[in-house]
Amino acid sequence: QLQLQESGPGLVKPSETLSLTCTVSGGSISSSSYYWGWIRQPPGKGLEWIGSIYHSGSTYYNPSLKSRVTISVDTSKNQFSLKLSSVTAADTAVYYCARGGCLWSGECRNWFDPWGQGTLVTVSS
Amino acid sequence: EIVLTQSPGTLSLSPGERATLSCRASQSVSSSYLAWYQQKPGQAPRLLIYGASSRATGIPDRVSGSGSGTDFILTISSLEPEDFAVYYCQQYDSSPYTFGQGTKLEIK
Repeated sequence: QLQLQESGPGLVKPSETLSLTCTVSGGSISSSSYYWGWIRQPPGKGLEWIGSIYHSGSTYYNPSLKSRVTISVDTSKNQFSLKLSSVTAADTAVYYCARGGCLWSGECRNWFDPWGQGTLVTVSS
Repeated sequence: EIVLTQSPGTLSLSPGERATLSCRASQSVSSSYLAWYQQKPGQAPRLLIYGASSRATGIPDRVSGSGSGTDFILTISSLEPEDFAVYYCQQYDSSPYTFGQGTKLEIK
C-alpha cells in the first residue's frame, strides 16, 4: 500500500525559503508514469494546487506561485521535494504531498490519491 | 484558469437522507476530468470520484458522480454518520488544476 509522508520545518521566517520533502513508501517513485504533486490548505480555507512533477522530471507549476516554486525528485531516496522562496504570512498552510492518478489505459493525470497526512507550516518571525 | 463554484456552501441533512452536491465550472471541463474529495477535520482529503463518475477504490456504491461540460453532481444516496464532512471538487483538465471552495455536509 503506497504511503506518503511530508517532513520539514514547521516554522519559517518571512522572506526565507520553505523546504519540504515527501517520502514515498510501498512503491517506487520512478517505476510508473505518475505525477507527484504538492497541494496546500491555509487554516480554515480551501485547497490550492501548488505544482506537480512527472516521473520523467518535468515540472508543472501554478502560475500564481511559479516564480517562487521549485519541485524536484530524488529517485535514489524515493522522495520528492518542494521549495517555496520569499515566503510571507499568506503562505501559512497545511502542505500535502500526493500521487496523481492513472487509468487502466495508462493515461495519467493530476487527480490525487493517495495523500500524505499533511504538515502545518507557519510563516512568522 | 477554470473556476469551480460549489453549492450549496452548507447542506444540513439527517442520516438516511439523500445528498446532492453541485460543482459548476466557469468553462467546459473536457473529457470529464473532474474529481471529488471528502475531507474530515484534521485529515487529508480522500479521493471519492475521478473522471466525473468513476468511484475510487474502496468507495461505497451509495456515492456516485455524474455530469459533464460545466455541471457536475456528487450524490450520496443514503447518508451514513461517517459521510458528514467537507466535499471538494477538482478539475484536472487544464493547468492550474483548481478546486472548488467546498461544501460542508452537516448533521441536521
